[in-house]
Amino acid sequence: DGGITQSPKYLFRKEGQNVTLSCEQNLNHDAMYWYRQDPGQGLRLIYYSQIVNDFQKGDIAEGYSVSREKKESFPLTVTSAQKNPTAFYLCASSIQLAGVVDEQFFGPGTRLTVL
Amino acid sequence: ELKVEQNPLFLSMQEGKNYTIYCNYSTTSDRLYWYRQDPGKSLESLFVLLSNGAVKQEGRLMASLDTKARLSTLHITAAVHDLSATYFCAVATPYIAQKLVFGQGTRLTINP
Repeated sequence: DGGITQSPKYLFRKEGQNVTLSCEQNLNHDAMYWYRQDPGQGLRLIYYSQIVNDFQKGDIAEGYSVSREKKESFPLTVTSAQKNPTAFYLCASSIQLAGVVDEQFFGPGTRLTVL
Repeated sequence: ELKVEQNPLFLSMQEGKNYTIYCNYSTTSDRLYWYRQDPGKSLESLFVLLSNGAVKQEGRLMASLDTKARLSTLHITAAVHDLSATYFCAVATPYIAQKLVFGQGTRLTINP
């Protein structure tokens, strides 16, 4: 089955610790995205990547880092510089041609809690 | 900077009634998406609206797009409890290197 997987489903982080959230897709999509969702809120874009080995900051990139070494993978690292990381993290992917974004499909999400 | 606003943010309605959720956006765009989110779950794509005057329908939900007014509507007909969820609209930023900007979401509760 084609789709987007995220792991782990739940993640607990201690103060000062870096953690990495996994996102994999087998849809052969060019573009991938990371969003953060706080309780009762909409989605805010953290980082996005339109092509392998290239990515751009979104609206709330501070305290986060990403890599895009393979087309199907776009891991997100939440660093200790992110002071309030407790949130629901969603990964998405889409076909993207000539810079035009298409419908985004979402993974199941990772819920991160700081202890 | 593209801004997307939904209203209402909270909506409680009875089964069998009709209602409309509005999505306004601030700058030119020709691509708008509606998503549904159940509590604790991810987003599910509902509608893709790609041109002025586009109308899409699926069951009791109908979405439309007026690019001149920068407005999309999601109309619910004869609501049923299963439609209780949070609904988001998302607008593609214009020109190249597009990304989506999401509205705040409308939490819809349908009571028996």
